[in-house]
Amino acid sequence: EVQLVESGGGLVQPGGSLRLSCAASGLNVSTSWMHWVRQAPGKGLVWVSRIRSDGRTVYADSVKGRFTISRDNAKNTLFLQMDSLRDEDTAVYYCARDGSWRLDHWGQGTLVTVSS
Amino acid sequence: DIQLTQSPAFLSASVGDRVTITCRASQGINNYLAWYQQKPGKAPKLLIHTASTLQSGVPSRFSGRGSGTEFTLTITSLQPEDFATYYCQQLNSSPLTFGGGTKVEIE
Repeated sequence: EVQLVESGGGLVQPGGSLRLSCAASGLNVSTSWMHWVRQAPGKGLVWVSRIRSDGRTVYADSVKGRFTISRDNAKNTLFLQMDSLRDEDTAVYYCARDGSWRLDHWGQGTLVTVSS
Repeated sequence: DIQLTQSPAFLSASVGDRVTITCRASQGINNYLAWYQQKPGKAPKLLIHTASTLQSGVPSRFSGRGSGTEFTLTITSLQPEDFATYYCQQLNSSPLTFGGGTKVEIE
């Protein structure tokens, strides 16, 4: 059974940093395409970033240059390093597995609150 | 960037109703369109991928159609557990984008 478990969310001041983790079981992050998707309170889903199995990454314009997606193959864990955080980054962050043209497995989400 | 316009944003319906949600893309997406269901406080759940393929384990009352730039999600005979918010997503090109969502409420 595939399981994705996010952690690392919390309260951070504007301009601060946070690193989110997504621990995977039942799948291999090193051979999967993995995504981060976020959802601000009461709002819709917004795609954030993707890492391919070959390591190539892509980002939404709103986070480019501030967020970095990466993975630790030995720990089977996906990360999202978030720097220079802004109020508008406040959201629940989900990791998801790309099962070939669809996000077929999602974690439960972790809440990031950016506020002074 | 490819924009996805979902309609309607809100839909009131009764148990047993047939409902259809539309998702229009600003350009062709090669049928790389997925539909998700989300309930409050929960992660999205994949329903349909590649426009019309039902994800394993999803009830057959859910169906997807469309091609090019116009796609639909239909729920035949709406069940109490189907009251939720539905999103379309294009996976044809980065940045991947979602529609604004359709909230299906009890009439």
